[in-house]
Amino acid sequence: DQQVKQNSPSLSVQEGRISILNCDYTNSMFDYFLWYKKYPAEGPTFLISISSIKDKNEDGRFTVFLNKSAKHLSLHIVPSQPGDSAVYFCAARKRAGSYQLTFGKGTKLSVIP
Amino acid sequence: DAMVIQNPRYQVTQFGKPVTLSCSQTLNHNVMYWYQQKSSQAPKLLFHYYDKDFNNEADTPDNFQSRRPNTSFCFLDIRSPGLGDAAMYLCATSPGDTDTQYFGPGTRLTVL
Repeated sequence: DQQVKQNSPSLSVQEGRISILNCDYTNSMFDYFLWYKKYPAEGPTFLISISSIKDKNEDGRFTVFLNKSAKHLSLHIVPSQPGDSAVYFCAARKRAGSYQLTFGKGTKLSVIP
Repeated sequence: DAMVIQNPRYQVTQFGKPVTLSCSQTLNHNVMYWYQQKSSQAPKLLFHYYDKDFNNEADTPDNFQSRRPNTSFCFLDIRSPGLGDAAMYLCATSPGDTDTQYFGPGTRLTVL
């Protein structure tokens, strides 16, 4: 049973435009969400996170939005750059003090120059 | 630079031949994790250590064991690798008081 779903395996965006990566979750016990970026032959790198008490968190070109009622979060990258081309993983944590992160399968973003 | 290091990056073993994967960290983090990631799948947590306390996920096969001799090192032992154990194995660490996990580059295991 996949509790964190990234339904788009891939996404292509023109350089300078907005990239929107989506993530849905099924477990209402999740209270903290993270996005990781992964380049080929490297491990995932933490990008940005959001607590369930917020609906938005921004860091430079990256913004994460959380819609708890819809159990949906999204990562916006504006403007997209070729160096953003990578696989993006959404991850969720169940409760405070739990170390377990549940990951989605990832979305491969390609930013076309 | 502080980091998470995994050796080797690529490991080939034979069906049934024990193999050990290594992870070390210079971050001095309390928690170390091992994940298995198969092609086009999500990383799946196998187990983690909080200091010396070992926490096994309920669905981690008995074939997988782990050791953490000190803060810096953690090993993944696969006692009798099967073809289905071919995957990328990711080590991660976290301070223990945040949820951000820092990953190593992974070891890709091939089972012949």
